[in-house]
Amino acid sequence: AAGVIQSPRHLIKEKRETATLKCYPIPRHDTVYWYQQGPGQDPQFLISFYEKMQSDKGSIPDRFSAQQFSDYHSELNMSSLELGDSALYFCASSLSPAGIYGYTFGSGTRLTVV
Amino acid sequence: DQQVKQNSPSLSVQEGRISILNCDYTNSMFDYFLWYKKYPAEGPTFLISISSIKDKNEDGRFTVFLNKSAKHLSLHIVPSQPGDSAVYFCAASVGSSNTGKLIFGQGTTLQVKP
Repeated sequence: AAGVIQSPRHLIKEKRETATLKCYPIPRHDTVYWYQQGPGQDPQFLISFYEKMQSDKGSIPDRFSAQQFSDYHSELNMSSLELGDSALYFCASSLSPAGIYGYTFGSGTRLTVV
Repeated sequence: DQQVKQNSPSLSVQEGRISILNCDYTNSMFDYFLWYKKYPAEGPTFLISISSIKDKNEDGRFTVFLNKSAKHLSLHIVPSQPGDSAVYFCAASVGSSNTGKLIFGQGTTLQVKP
């Protein structure tokens, strides 16, 4: 079965650079979520999209932006990178509302800022 | 403010015995509770869930118990197997929200010894 695809799997950037993370949800899923997981921490909700419109926003820095495109893939853009942005970034998708079924996560992108 | 809490960072059990992972929450609006399992370098994988109208849900070796009055849920794994060794996240969502975003606990690392 198709899963949530994230690219790249690993990314190394220098401080103040820009990074773009991509997410391809499961076909026919209408909601995409982005989460950030720092070392030893729980996944923190960043932002979500429902039918290509932003539906909810969490603790996402102003330096970050995201969008969902007509083919439902989503991109998380991160500018002016800081050392503290080093983390695992997960994308997940679901049929709205996720409810009892939760959602399906991708394998994540590990971002390292040096 | 940690709305979902897993107070035990780690748990070690012998193969064949029962593993009990605990989770507490503070938000009485949560409608759904889910458990995710995570291996290193992979995204969280949905394991089992329970609606707030139930107090127990069972799926094979996995059973989740919900005590709404105590705002507490637990995951029982019987019998535990070495392949169950992973990080387990408890998560919760408000079903009536427009996105059903999940709020995660800090995770419990389970080690099942052969």
